[in-house]
Amino acid sequence: GAGVSQSPSNKVTEKGKDVELRCDPISGHTALYWYRQSLGQGLEFLIYFQGNSAPDKSGLPSDRFSAERTGGSVSTLTIQRTQQEDSAVYLCASSLDPGSEQYFGPGTRLTVT
Amino acid sequence: GENVEQHPSTLSVQEGDSAVIKCTYSDSASNYFPWYKQELGKRPQLIIDIRSNVGEKKDQRIAVTLNKTAKHFSLHITETQPEDSAVYFCAATGAAGNKLTFGGGTRVLVKP
Repeated sequence: GAGVSQSPSNKVTEKGKDVELRCDPISGHTALYWYRQSLGQGLEFLIYFQGNSAPDKSGLPSDRFSAERTGGSVSTLTIQRTQQEDSAVYLCASSLDPGSEQYFGPGTRLTVT
Repeated sequence: GENVEQHPSTLSVQEGDSAVIKCTYSDSASNYFPWYKQELGKRPQLIIDIRSNVGEKKDQRIAVTLNKTAKHFSLHITETQPEDSAVYFCAATGAAGNKLTFGGGTRVLVKP
């Protein structure tokens, strides 16, 4: 079946602009995660959605970052007033349920100029 | 919160030799420990995982060991091949399973 998909694959934006990144999880997966990977670095947890529960936002680096998940499926990560330090690859993952294997999408490479 | 340390940061081995990567974690409640392989420009792919109720798991040339008392786990790759060259990440998740905390990664280079 189809894996996790993300769009766009690449995004170049000017400092101060808002961006929206999209994630389509694997159908039937109840858990959805966003991570950030800076160049040559590890993966940093951002936010987690599980079913209809309130999301775990503990990893969001500032209030410029927000995310939503509509209908328990597609998720959008929004970054407002982008800064150069926001440049990174944003990875989405989904799992059948919490604690199961997480499948990663291909990521969105964000470059803030 | 959970903290995961990974060593070494880079590892160069001769083809056919073994590679070992070690990770430590801080949260004694962590119960799931996956290892991901990430090739350049690609997404992380799960290669093996272990849960806290077992001490060792093996899948062909790769194995993972877990020492809950010492809070560390290791990845072992035997008979390394050039296609094993990649960045490997360990991770740990707590009882809630709501996020993975990743180690900093190990860049493995297998020289033919």
